[in-house]
Amino acid sequence: RKEVEQDPGPFNVPEGATVAFNCTYSNSASQSFFWYRQDCRKEPKLLMSVYSSGNEDGRFTAQLNRASQYISLLIRDSKLSDSATYLCVVNPHSSASKIIFGSGTRLSIRP
Amino acid sequence: DTAVSQTPKYLVTQMGNDKSIKCEQNLGHDTMYWYKQDSKKFLKIMFSYNNKELIINETVPNRFSPKSPDKAHLNLHINSLELGDSAVYFCASSPTSGAEQFFGPGTRLTVL
Repeated sequence: RKEVEQDPGPFNVPEGATVAFNCTYSNSASQSFFWYRQDCRKEPKLLMSVYSSGNEDGRFTAQLNRASQYISLLIRDSKLSDSATYLCVVNPHSSASKIIFGSGTRLSIRP
Repeated sequence: DTAVSQTPKYLVTQMGNDKSIKCEQNLGHDTMYWYKQDSKKFLKIMFSYNNKELIINETVPNRFSPKSPDKAHLNLHINSLELGDSAVYFCASSPTSGAEQFFGPGTRLTVL
C-alpha cells in the first residue's frame, strides 16, 4: 500500500457542482495533514490544513477520519477557477518533517 | 514582496555539467526544503534544513548537495548532471518542521 494515495482523476464537473476527493494514508501515527492546490506549471500552494475536528474555509471543507485513515476535501458551488490539481499531504511525525505528498487529483470545472 | 524566491527559473545544460539553484525566503521560517517534481508530476522531498542543520536526506544521489549559508537561504548544487535529473525543482519553507509550507516558483531544469 502506498504511503499516501489519491485518485488521480481527472474529475470533470460542471460549474456549480459539489465535488469531493479522498486521500488515504498508511501510517496510523501520522500527525498533520494538509491540502494543497497546484495550477499547471505553477508551484503548489497551501489550500488548507486539516484538523481532527474538521474545518471549513468558505466553499471548502476538509475532514479527517483517523479510524479509516483518510482525509477528504469537499468543494461546494465549484468555480471555473477551482480547476487545478489537488495534492494531499501527510506528515507522519510532528517534528521529523518526513512529509509525503500524494500524487494529486486533477479537477476540471466546465462552464 | 516575494516570500520564497528561486533562481534561475529555467536552466538548460549539458550532461556532465555542474549547476546550482539558489533559494531565498524572507518569511523568517526555520525550515527550508528542496523537492523534485518529475514528468509524472510526482512531488518528492529531497532535503530539508532546520536552522542550518540537515534533518532529512532522502535517498538522493550524492551528486546533489544542499548548502545553507544562513537560515534564509538553501541552495542546491548538482554535480555531473544526468538526463534523469531533468525535472522541476521546488524550494519551500515552513515556520517549523512539518508545518504548512510555502513554495518558490520552481526551477525547470533540462539536461541535454
